[in-house]
Amino acid sequence: SQTIHQWPATLVQPVGSPLSLECTVEGTSNPNLYWYRQAAGRGLQLLFYSVGIGQISSEVPQNLSASRPQDRQFILSSKKLLLSDSGFYLCAWSFRGEQYFGPGTRLTVT
Amino acid sequence: GIQVEQSPPDLILQEGANSTLRCNFSDSVNNLQWFHQNPWGQLINLFYIPSGTKQNGRLSATTVATERYSLLYISSSQTTDSGVYFCAVVAIADQGGSEKLVFGKGTKLTVNP
Repeated sequence: SQTIHQWPATLVQPVGSPLSLECTVEGTSNPNLYWYRQAAGRGLQLLFYSVGIGQISSEVPQNLSASRPQDRQFILSSKKLLLSDSGFYLCAWSFRGEQYFGPGTRLTVT
Repeated sequence: GIQVEQSPPDLILQEGANSTLRCNFSDSVNNLQWFHQNPWGQLINLFYIPSGTKQNGRLSATTVATERYSLLYISSSQTTDSGVYFCAVVAIADQGGSEKLVFGKGTKLTVNP
């Protein structure tokens, strides 16, 4: 069966520090992968998606970037965090149109 | 882009009560999913239902694609049903590769014992 992992689960970082969040998927090959952010107010916003290695599409201009160095690995990064980057970051993959989400990383920028 | 509206935004029930959550969307969709976000933040897949009706235990969902809405029914609610329920869609215009989900703002359900 397929599983999706994210780490770390929680992270507290100062403003101006770098960020690297990792997501990996097991049990499938060549999945579509997604990064979403959930800020206060409950809505989820799509940040990036990838249909293959090295193929990244950005949905929202921002302080973040994404990379897909391997088929089942998706990384969210920032060179310098802003206070507004705080939130709950969720990675997802899709199979036959249905999306499945990882456990998320709760990021607090102080 | 496609707009997704959920109602009501908040709902408080007594254990054992039934409820109906609604999701309206502004354009034709290729995919519609209902999720339950538990208190720990985990998004749990409830239904993949671009059209028709499905049932899973006390939960059922109906999507009327031609009228651009979906309903989630919760019967005999339990305290463990508490959390936020999200509807999310993929517009037909976005199909064919990316399958980008657009989320509503959710319905926060509180079930009291």
